Amino acid sequence: DIVMTQGVLPNPVPSGESASITCRSSKSLVYKDGKTYLNWFLQRPGQSPQLLTYWMSTRASGVSDRFSGSGSGTYFTLKISRVRAEDAGVYYCQQVREYPWTFGGGTKLELK
Amino acid sequence: EVQLQQSGAELGKPGTSVKLSCKVSGYNIRNTYMHWVNQRPGKGLEWIGRIDPANGNTIYAEKFKSKATLTADTSSNTAYMQLSQLKSDDTAIYFCAMEGYLGVMDAWGQGASVTVSS
Repeated sequence: DIVMTQGVLPNPVPSGESASITCRSSKSLVYKDGKTYLNWFLQRPGQSPQLLTYWMSTRASGVSDRFSGSGSGTYFTLKISRVRAEDAGVYYCQQVREYPWTFGGGTKLELK
Repeated sequence: EVQLQQSGAELGKPGTSVKLSCKVSGYNIRNTYMHWVNQRPGKGLEWIGRIDPANGNTIYAEKFKSKATLTADTSSNTAYMQLSQLKSDDTAIYFCAMEGYLGVMDAWGQGASVTVSS
């Protein structure tokens, strides 16, 4: 199985600052079609996960442009610009390159 | 608008089974895959498996192959997951999620709590 490892944020993050969340995969997530099959989700307290980005860098419908995904085949970053109160929660990366799909352990974002 | 409505909280005794449902509105589940994910108390997300409702084909994570059984009823546009031989370790919130045409889980149910206790 592909193992996803997420970094830790130096919490709390001051409102208005930027935050970068990292994720590493044990295998390249680039498929033969050239796409990188890495998704990011945000789970706010008491809520279901919400898709933020897919194919590593494409924002999901309705997601603020303050969220941007980037990376290589095995190392990925989700950058959140001008952090706001509603960004608080746990962020998960997920690989959908192959089954079984796997998630990172989550990175908690707290705001100051 | 796509909506996934999950069944309510379940309390099961060790060794018994529970069956969760996930009713989809706004989209025909024949045209998608339905996934299930769990989240143990205070822990992260764990992918359980997925079903193709059009033909019943399933894929499971190895650790859930003897634990979870995924089914779907296209006539009612509903996906199901049965959890068998319940243990305290199965206590968790279980989410269903729909895989849209982009190949990602872009619509989620509200989650269903399963508590295993004697």
